[in-house]
Amino acid sequence: DQQVKQNSPSLSVQEGRISILNCDYTNSMFDYFLWYKKYPAEGPTFLISISSIKDKNEDGRFTVFLNKSAKHLSLHIVPSQPGDSAVYFCAASVANSGNTPLVFGKGTRLSVIA
Amino acid sequence: NAGVMQNPRHLVRRRGQEARLRCSPMKGHSHVYWYRQLPEEGLKFMVYLQKENIIDESGMPKERFSAEFPKEGPSILRIQQVVRGDSAAYFCASSPNANEKLFFGSGTQLSVL
Repeated sequence: DQQVKQNSPSLSVQEGRISILNCDYTNSMFDYFLWYKKYPAEGPTFLISISSIKDKNEDGRFTVFLNKSAKHLSLHIVPSQPGDSAVYFCAASVANSGNTPLVFGKGTRLSVIA
Repeated sequence: NAGVMQNPRHLVRRRGQEARLRCSPMKGHSHVYWYRQLPEEGLKFMVYLQKENIIDESGMPKERFSAEFPKEGPSILRIQQVVRGDSAAYFCASSPNANEKLFFGSGTQLSVL
């Protein structure tokens, strides 16, 4: 029973182009969404987040879009750089629940080709 | 300002032995979470602790696994009588308050022979 789904296990993008990573969720109670980036042999690091009161949040080259009606969010990276090659995890939680931990998707491996 | 510290980085155990994984949260963080990542899988929540209390252990197997976060010292994830299926990367994360973004350690790679 996967509440957070990342249906693309991998994605290859040319350097300088846009990378779009997608995430779907099933639990309508989720109201806080995050993206984490993970390099091999390291722990995940926080990238960007969005609350359900917004539909877009931007931080430099990274933008997260949220479509609540479709229960879908996406992470856009533009322009993509070779250093962006990593596994990207989408995560969700119920922000006001007090005790609900983050639920993660299985991740998408992004390869940015020079 | 040190991040979340996990040790050991790599742990090898034979079937039937015990594994102890340690996690020191970031300074000022009293919320600790343990996640497990199996090969080709995502991060699966195991347990959430707040100083001396287990808040949520819904993701932890009922047998052989236990976790604690004492008043003094690191959080410990303990796996008794390990089996090959326990081989995975175990990540600890901490946060200053509930429902805030998590800061992860580098993980402990457990290999069961």
